[in-house]
Amino acid sequence: QSVLTQPPSVSAAPGQKVTISCSGSSSNIGNNYVSWYQQLPGTAPKLLIYDNNKRPSGIPDRFSGSKSGTSATLGITGLQTGDEADYYCGTWDSSLSARVFGGGTKLTVL
Amino acid sequence: QVQLQQWGAGLLKPSETLSLTCAVYGGSFSGYYWSWIRQPPGKGLEWIGEINHSGSTNYNPSLKSRVTISVDTSKNQFSLKLSSVTAADTAVYYCARLVFNSGYPKGYMDVWGKGTTVTVSS
Repeated sequence: QSVLTQPPSVSAAPGQKVTISCSGSSSNIGNNYVSWYQQLPGTAPKLLIYDNNKRPSGIPDRFSGSKSGTSATLGITGLQTGDEADYYCGTWDSSLSARVFGGGTKLTVL
Repeated sequence: QVQLQQWGAGLLKPSETLSLTCAVYGGSFSGYYWSWIRQPPGKGLEWIGEINHSGSTNYNPSLKSRVTISVDTSKNQFSLKLSSVTAADTAVYYCARLVFNSGYPKGYMDVWGKGTTVTVSS
């Protein structure tokens, strides 16, 4: 059971928009920055979003992040078949003194 | 362009010690923390621990009694040892660079190794 809660799966059609939620508590998301990672099948995770809403160089602006209270959201617009992947949120948990991740959300582009 | 190259034994017997090493190429070694994360088959990511160039470590409390992370600054390498492994330790193990612009231990992993599959089986 993960400390951060994500929906197991989401789906949408090509060109559409999807959001992935990440729910936590005051000891993690509520008081720390959130990052998001994309894991394409059979590959290592890749940083998509850091510090709640910042994109590393090379990440298209189709990907966005936001945070409100103890929840964070990843948004992806203009969906492409190449976006099919597992997405993970992550942050620091001050109570556990540990880095924590969500359980992951599998995105299917129909 | 920073790259992480990792290696280590891929097949272990129960009770043995897992040993992996990650080498850092093309960038600064100091000024970052260096992390280990694992992913059991079909499951999510689990943080194991991390170390900086001075040898300061931080471990996942759930694994702390079995984990040792060390650093060799002369080679820009860091290593993971996990003792007394069981089948539950079967996973892909990743090394990664931790950036902490907003102050440690806050931060995020911006560069990842390709992963090493470790299987524990008798």
